[in-house]
Parts: sequence; structure tokens; C-alpha cells
Amino acid sequence: KAGVTQTPRYLIKTRGQQVTLSCSPISGHRSVSWYQQTPGQGLQFLFEYFSETQRNKGNFPGRFSGRQFSNSRSEMNVSTLELGDSALYLCASSLAAPPDTQYFGPGTRLTVL
Amino acid sequence: DQQVKQNSPSLSVQEGRISILNCDYTNSMFDYFLWYKKYPAEGPTFLISISSIKDKNEDGRFTVFLNKSAKHLSLHIVPSQPGDSAVYFCAARPSGSRLTFGEGTQLTVNP
Repeated sequence: KAGVTQTPRYLIKTRGQQVTLSCSPISGHRSVSWYQQTPGQGLQFLFEYFSETQRNKGNFPGRFSGRQFSNSRSEMNVSTLELGDSALYLCASSLAAPPDTQYFGPGTRLTVL
Repeated sequence: DQQVKQNSPSLSVQEGRISILNCDYTNSMFDYFLWYKKYPAEGPTFLISISSIKDKNEDGRFTVFLNKSAKHLSLHIVPSQPGDSAVYFCAARPSGSRLTFGEGTQLTVNP
């Protein structure tokens, strides 16, 4: 069974631009969560989706948004990028929500210049 | 408010010895705990979990201990191997809610 895939793997943007990241969960998984990882901050929760509905949202500004499609694939969007948005963005999928064991993708490394 | 804390950013041990990674939490509603391992350029991978009804769970070289009264979780790796060198994250959640992760501890196992 294929694992969680994330595209693109690396991205360089400039301040003020917007970006869309994509996540394809493990086949059959209906729950997708997004995390931001920065040095010393661990994994900060962004959002959780299940069956196209956002179940939970973390403490991030409205510039961060996401959605989930009927095939469980998910996207997250960051508008008006700031330097502090530079991070590794991780997507995780699980069979159910709330998730017990989550399976992570390799992440998208976003650099904002 | 950091509800899950890993106070040691790094830990270095000799191959063959025991590695003990620690995690403290503040939310008494947490009832499910997990450890993940992360190598550079990869996503975290699930290692081991424990429910609050237990105080110990073992899987091969990995054992997780839960002390509910102290709100403390630890991961023991015996014997440690160089391939265990990675960042280890603990995570916890209350029933019906999302996972909260700690900041991570970089484990280095020296040959």
C-alpha cells in the first residue's frame, strides 16, 4: 500500500505570495491532519479534516486555510506569505477521526525569502 | 500553553546502552500517548503507543512507561543502536480529540 504523499517536496516563495500544498492520504484513510514543524517548536497542529469536513483547527491566523476533497486528498493554502512561515509542513492520514495512529508524509519544505 | 513538553532537546548515548527519553504533560484529560521517530528529510513514523489504562507497553527494544500521577511518559530503548539516532516526538490526546505533540528530542547513539 502506498504511503502518504505530499507535493511539492520543496518550495521557495517570496513574501506576500501565496502557496498551495497537496497531500494524498493512504488509500482508505479518510482523516487528514496538517502540521507545521519549526526548529524547537515541535509539530504545531494546523487542521484536521474528515470526510471533507474540518473537524479541528489550530491556533494559526486566517492566512492558513485548507480543504479536503471527496477522494480524501487534501490541500492547504497559505496566503500573503511571511518570513516566519518558512517551515516543514507535514500531512498525516489515519483511518478514522479523531485519529489514533497517524501516518505521516515526507513533508513539504517551504522557504519564504 | 505547551501541554506536552520534552525538556531535553538532545540526548547522547553509547551503542548498546539504554536510551531514556522523557515527556511531561499537563492535561489530565489525555488518555492516549504515542511516540514517533523522525529522520531528516522524512516524516515522523509511529513507534509505540500506550493507553491510560496501562502503565507499560513493550515492543521489542522499545518500552513506553506511563506515570499518570506524575503526568510523565518515558520511552526506553534497549539496547540502543546507531540507527536509532533520530528526533523522537511524544504525543498525547484526550478522548475524542486531536493529538498534541512535544518539541522533540534529538537522540544520538554513538558507535
